[in-house]
Amino acid sequence: GESVGLHLPTLSVQEGDNSIINCAYSNSASDYFIWYKQESGKGPQFIIDIRSNMDKRQGQRVTVLLNKTVKHLSLQIAATQPGDSAVYFCAENIRGSNYKLTFGKGTLLTVNP
Amino acid sequence: DTAVSQTPKYLVTQMGNDKSIKCEQNLGHDTMYWYKQDSKKFLKIMFSYNNKELIINETVPNRFSPKSPDKAHLNLHINSLELGDSAVYFCASSQEGLAGTQYFGPGTRLTVL
Repeated sequence: GESVGLHLPTLSVQEGDNSIINCAYSNSASDYFIWYKQESGKGPQFIIDIRSNMDKRQGQRVTVLLNKTVKHLSLQIAATQPGDSAVYFCAENIRGSNYKLTFGKGTLLTVNP
Repeated sequence: DTAVSQTPKYLVTQMGNDKSIKCEQNLGHDTMYWYKQDSKKFLKIMFSYNNKELIINETVPNRFSPKSPDKAHLNLHINSLELGDSAVYFCASSQEGLAGTQYFGPGTRLTVL
């Protein structure tokens, strides 16, 4: 399958369960964080973002949590559906660097029906 | 209507050849980007252009030359292709100074034989 040889962190969940995808960042100067979803054969797609002056932001079925103390970001997907199966990337924007995003490694989410 | 389009979608070529990938966006954005995604799904920025001017060049070999004829287009020309250039290349665009909310194209899978 697609995951062979990728060595991505993987998360496998049952349809209807909640999913939590984690991301660590290292740059204290990062002040804006974004989650992207990449389906097979497609480009990354914006899901949700959060600024460093917030610790939680909610969207439709998704919630992003930011813990600046430990430099950790998470994406929670409620009632995960088969259509949520994709690679999820966190990305950070460093303060003052308006033209650059640094992407994390990516996590492969597989939703089992 | 496709927001960010790339051509071709697939490109197979021999080592040493020169090839180009084209990108167009119809979103009215001022900033465009090229990314390289390797076989491990790691997504790394190569170039960023704002209003046809080069803003970011992430230590990419000078065999890679981006060209922006106007704000809506950012093409990528690659000289003397090497095996290690095999990857998926993504074009993206955003409003000026808003690197976080980028819209990605569908990608071009380049295979160098």
